[in-house]
Amino acid sequence: RKEVEQDPGPFNVPEGATVAFNCTYSNSASQSFFWYRQDCRKEPKLLMSVYSSGNEDGRFTAQLNRASQYISLLIRDSKLSDSATYLCVVTSGNTPLVFGKGTRLSVIA
Amino acid sequence: EAGVAQSPRYKIIEKRQSVAFWCNPISGHATLYWYQQILGQGPKLLIQFQNNGVVDDSQLPKDRFSAERLKGVDSTLKIQPAKLEDSAVYLCASSFLSSSSYNEQFFGPGTRLTVL
Repeated sequence: RKEVEQDPGPFNVPEGATVAFNCTYSNSASQSFFWYRQDCRKEPKLLMSVYSSGNEDGRFTAQLNRASQYISLLIRDSKLSDSATYLCVVTSGNTPLVFGKGTRLSVIA
Repeated sequence: EAGVAQSPRYKIIEKRQSVAFWCNPISGHATLYWYQQILGQGPKLLIQFQNNGVVDDSQLPKDRFSAERLKGVDSTLKIQPAKLEDSAVYLCASSFLSSSSYNEQFFGPGTRLTVL
C-alpha cells in the first residue's frame, strides 16, 4: 500500500461548483497533514495545513479523520484560477514530507 | 523577499553524461531539501541538509547521485552518470528550521532534466 494515495483525476467541474478531494495515508503515526497546490510547470506551494478539528480558509475547507486515516479538501464556488494539481502531504513530525501523486482539477467556464 | 533560486531551469543531456544543479535557499533558512518529481508523481525527497550536515539521504541513489552544501548556504546536486529514468524535475526547497515541529517548506522553480 502506498504511503499516501490520491485519486489522480482529472476532476472537470464548471465554475461555481463544489468539489471534494480525498486522500488516504498508511502510517498511523503520521502527525501533520497538508494540502499543497501545484500549477502546471510550477513548484508546489502550501495551500493549507489540516488540523484535527478541521479548518477553513475562505472557499477551502480541510478535514482530517484519524480513525479512517484520510484527509479531505473541499473547494466551494470553484473559480477558473483553482485549476491546478492538489497534492496531499503527510509527515510524522520530524520525518520527511511524503507527497501523494496529486489530484488534477480543471475548472471550466 | 527573494525566494529559492535554482539553475539551470532546463537541461538536456544524453545518458551516461554528468549534470549538476545549483540551489540557493531563502536567506536564513537552515534546512535545504532536494526533491525529484517525475511526471505524474508527487515530489520525492532525495536529501535533506540542516546547515552543512546531512539529515536524511535514505532515498538518494548514492551510486550515481551526490549532493553537497559545504558552507551551509547554497547546494549542488550532481548526477553521474545519468540514466533515462532520471528525467524529472529536480526541486530544491528550504525551511527556516527543522525540528520536531513542521516548518513550511518553500520550493524553488525547479530544474527540468531530460535524459536522451
